[in-house]
Amino acid sequence: VTQNPRYLITVTGKKLTVTCSQNMNHEYMSWYRQDPGMGLKLIYYSVGAGITDKGEVPNGYNVSRSTTEDFPLRLELAAPSQTSVYFCASSPLDRGGEAFFGQGTRLTVV
Amino acid sequence: AQSVTQPDIHITVSEGASLELRCNYSYGATPYLFWYVQSPGQGLQLLLKYFSGDTLVQGIKGFEAEFKRSQSSFNLRKPSVHWSDAAEYFCAVVFLSGGYQKVTFGTGTKLQVIP
Repeated sequence: VTQNPRYLITVTGKKLTVTCSQNMNHEYMSWYRQDPGMGLKLIYYSVGAGITDKGEVPNGYNVSRSTTEDFPLRLELAAPSQTSVYFCASSPLDRGGEAFFGQGTRLTVV
Repeated sequence: AQSVTQPDIHITVSEGASLELRCNYSYGATPYLFWYVQSPGQGLQLLLKYFSGDTLVQGIKGFEAEFKRSQSSFNLRKPSVHWSDAAEYFCAVVFLSGGYQKVTFGTGTKLQVIP
């Protein structure tokens, strides 16, 4: 699972996209944010091309799944509260917890 | 509501000592259960998994975990810890929700290994 960029600093109100792609033909893809002491919180997930759904903390984020391989995360109006580390993950549909994770994107919004 | 609890935020063990990290879940049925490890600045790596069958499962790096239905637990163990095991460990469970599987992570346990 490849996500880019690894590090990103932006200003409040900017629009940005973090890309995620996988070449394992996994149907299930997801985005998490990780904050210290909070574990991973599910932002959005997708069970296949054209199908996405909200997770636990979707507000302020958007996703799309036009192909099996790609699952970009978009922040329409970046806010300081979105400063976090973001992880993309993919897995076979029937083994949603058996995930392969990207290296993470550390986002700072000033 | 479904939940996952890792009661220990931080654990320190001596190198060579045994280790047990706790994980408890709340769910009406048996979920799928996982342990992941995260080294600093890295993504998560799957250590082991439980779907069904034998309640003692073996994973990579010498780790094992035991599923205890009566206690709703899935504790991670290692008989002899190495300095390279210092990392953060996450328990994860998969619940069925709306026909799809949803993954919930615990808040993590940070393991420190002292010489």
